[in-house]
Amino acid sequence: KAGVTQTPRYLIKTRGQQVTLSCSPISGHRSVSWYQQTPGQGLQFLFEYFSETQRNKGNFPGRFSGRQFSNSRSEMNVSTLELGDSALYLCASSLVGPAYEQYFGPGTRLTVT
Amino acid sequence: AQSVTQPDIHITVSEGASLELRCNYSYGATPYLFWYVQSPGQGLQLLLKYFSGDTLVQGIKGFEAEFKRSQSSFNLRKPSVHWSDAAEYFCAVVFMEYGNKLVFGAGTILRVKS
Repeated sequence: KAGVTQTPRYLIKTRGQQVTLSCSPISGHRSVSWYQQTPGQGLQFLFEYFSETQRNKGNFPGRFSGRQFSNSRSEMNVSTLELGDSALYLCASSLVGPAYEQYFGPGTRLTVT
Repeated sequence: AQSVTQPDIHITVSEGASLELRCNYSYGATPYLFWYVQSPGQGLQLLLKYFSGDTLVQGIKGFEAEFKRSQSSFNLRKPSVHWSDAAEYFCAVVFMEYGNKLVFGAGTILRVKS
């Protein structure tokens, strides 16, 4: 069974631009979560989607948004990029419910200049 | 507030030596507990998990972890470390009222001396 895939793997953007990252979950997994990883803040939860609905949201500004499609694929968008948005963005998928482990993709490395 | 603590930022062990990485959490009930490993430039790989039942859980790559309710701890152990175990290790917790959200510790970087 194929793992979680994320595209693109690397991205360089300029401050003020916007970016869209994509995540394809493991087949059969309907829950998709996004995390941001930075050296200063560590791993932080962004949001979780299930059945095309955001079920849970972390403490990030409204510039960070996401969506999920009917095939469970998910995208996250960051508008008006800031230097501090440079990070590794990780997507994870799981079966539905907290008692199921989350499987992570390789991440998208975003650099904002 | 609920939190996860990994008190050791860096740990160095000799190849073949035993390893224990510490993880403590702050929560009024028993959460769901996980250990993940991350190699440089990679995503997170699940090593093992604890939901309920036997407090000693076995994972992949020869790792095990023990849940101790009285100490709110979930320490990761390996009897004999291999050079390929060098990586960063994260303890993560799901606190039930927050749904499926993983709360991570700060991570412990493991260096293996040959």
